[in-house]
Amino acid sequence: GQNIDQPTEMTATEGAIVQINCTYQTSGFNGLFWYQQHAGEAPTFLSYNVLDGLEEKGRFSSFLSRSKGYSYLLLKELQMKDSASYLCAVRDSNYQLIWGAGTKLIIKP
Amino acid sequence: TAGITQAPTSQILAAGRSMTLRCTQDMRHNAMYWYRQDLGLGLRLIHYSNTAGTTGKGEVPDGYSVSRANTDDFPLTLASAVPSQTSVYFCASSDGGAHTDTQYFGPGTRLTVL
Repeated sequence: GQNIDQPTEMTATEGAIVQINCTYQTSGFNGLFWYQQHAGEAPTFLSYNVLDGLEEKGRFSSFLSRSKGYSYLLLKELQMKDSASYLCAVRDSNYQLIWGAGTKLIIKP
Repeated sequence: TAGITQAPTSQILAAGRSMTLRCTQDMRHNAMYWYRQDLGLGLRLIHYSNTAGTTGKGEVPDGYSVSRANTDDFPLTLASAVPSQTSVYFCASSDGGAHTDTQYFGPGTRLTVL
């Protein structure tokens, strides 16, 4: 079966750095997405990786290793508004998105 | 630009009743999707449409039907609601042409079936 694993919840301090990991086992791979979802709101797109390596976008970076079935989302200079759930999703061989359950990130002052 | 709109925002429905969740996008995207989101689970695809006039089944299609008469609208119908269909429903769209094919989500409909 297809599986996306992420930690259920993480806690970090304002101003710090946090890394959210995602491991996947899917039938085929056509890219990996990270989305942010604030409580009660819709998911919003953060990043996309299809090749190995690091993609940087301001305070957020996303890394992919296809051989290891592994990605992480790195958030720097954490702000209170970064408190949200972070969803990892992999596009499989049928070009459908398989979603992880999400990681709830709690930021403390 | 409105993006994607969904209606209603929330609804309480008696078991056995039918209901249609509405979704409209103004981005002229080819592909549209319906997901349900339940606590502790990832988003699960119910149905999708790659272009107007075509639809396909996702991971959890049973009890749901869709239609895609035009590019903008993609309604989801529950013919006879059951309590297990209590969930938050998200509609999404993507242009289906770009390599990244990012999906953009509507605000969601919170449905409770009693």
